[in-house]
Amino acid sequence: NAGVTQTPKFQVLKTGQSMTLQCAQDMNHEYMSWYRQDPGMGLRLIHYSVGAGITDQGEVPNGYNVSRSTTEDFPLRLLSAAPSQTSVYFCASSYLYTGVEAFFGQGTRLTVV
Amino acid sequence: DQQVKQNSPSLSVQEGRISILNCDYTNSMFDYFLWYKKYPAEGPTFLISISSIKDKNEDGRFTVFLNKSAKHLSLHIVPSQPGDSAVYFCAATPMIYNQGGKLIFGQGTELSVKP
Repeated sequence: NAGVTQTPKFQVLKTGQSMTLQCAQDMNHEYMSWYRQDPGMGLRLIHYSVGAGITDQGEVPNGYNVSRSTTEDFPLRLLSAAPSQTSVYFCASSYLYTGVEAFFGQGTRLTVV
Repeated sequence: DQQVKQNSPSLSVQEGRISILNCDYTNSMFDYFLWYKKYPAEGPTFLISISSIKDKNEDGRFTVFLNKSAKHLSLHIVPSQPGDSAVYFCAATPMIYNQGGKLIFGQGTELSVKP
């Protein structure tokens, strides 16, 4: 089992560019989410999905789009990158109910210049 | 408004001693709490959890205590080992329909265990 796989691991973008961070899980989890980690801020929830075709906003959704067309994949799109989006991004997945232990990917370190 | 707070950014402990990491929350809807451990350049990994119907949960060297009236939980590591050096995140979630995976994290505490 690969668990939660994120690509790319590192990315440098110029201000205004767009890109998609990929996330895939092979555990048949209903719930998937995206977090960003910034120094002194912990992990903050960007967007989440409780199943294919269903997404919702988290704490810091502005500047990001998501879609969930399959159970396995949950890509995060940056429409027009800004320096404030420089961060480490983590994708996570879990079952909806029991234990709610979330499994995290290795992270994507994004720098916007 | 930070719903989950870890007020100590860092903690240094001698090997073999107890490490105590603290976490406070404000949202009364939270009824499931988790601790995650994170090494540099890796994703967080689940450590231990507790539901609001309990006040203590143990797993080997790790024990989590929950004080609902004070909205406070703590993680005890006994004995501490150098391999425990990492950032520890406290997280909380309400166990209701469609919200079970929605984790709200604290800022993290960096634990350093010195040999």
